Amino acid sequence: SQQGEEDPQALSIQEGENATMNCSYKTSINNLQWYRQNSGRGLVHLILIRSNEREKHSGRLRVTLDTSKKSSSLLITASRAADTASYFCATGPNFGNEKLTFGTGTRLTIIP
Amino acid sequence: NAGVTQTPKFQVLKTGQSMTLQCAQDMNHNSMYWYRQDPGMGLRLIYYSASEGTTDKGEVPNGYNVSRLNKREFSLRLESAAPSQTSVYFCASRAGQGDYNEQFFGPGTRLTVL
Repeated sequence: SQQGEEDPQALSIQEGENATMNCSYKTSINNLQWYRQNSGRGLVHLILIRSNEREKHSGRLRVTLDTSKKSSSLLITASRAADTASYFCATGPNFGNEKLTFGTGTRLTIIP
Repeated sequence: NAGVTQTPKFQVLKTGQSMTLQCAQDMNHNSMYWYRQDPGMGLRLIYYSASEGTTDKGEVPNGYNVSRLNKREFSLRLESAAPSQTSVYFCASRAGQGDYNEQFFGPGTRLTVL
């Protein structure tokens, strides 16, 4: 079963606008990660937020985590055509646990 | 560094045939993983190996076997392929030292079982 569920499933925006996608999960986590997948490629790690962190930034990316609501959001500011991809959240549920559980992804399309 | 490499990139099998998907990493990572990706399903873990010499089942292990040949290589075998195993298969690796490190993915193998 999927731990994470992304929302929306698909999102289309104009270049230059901000894109926000959300992830909800079911069980307690140790950390939450976001990955990007370009069409026909493997996943690439974007950012990791620990369970004791509430917000993290990396370049044009901003991630928030609300453990009380079991949810996270990924904001991409000033979107570019190259941001067109699928975005997945992944949760690491326990201390020392090897496994990540991936959500079903948000398909983001940036319209030039 | 090549990162994580997978062979082959594409494969077509007939039902009942067997094959092995190969994965290698050159980052000296301890942990390695095999996932399958189906439309609308995200990634599902098939097997993983936390260290050389160990393997464990993931969410969907039935119909698959794995071998952690050495620290670099982790192979996935389909003994008797079924159409339900048509999917894109990704190998990944992780340093494995500490909790807070990401997984690095290979480019994938697109498998079709007729």
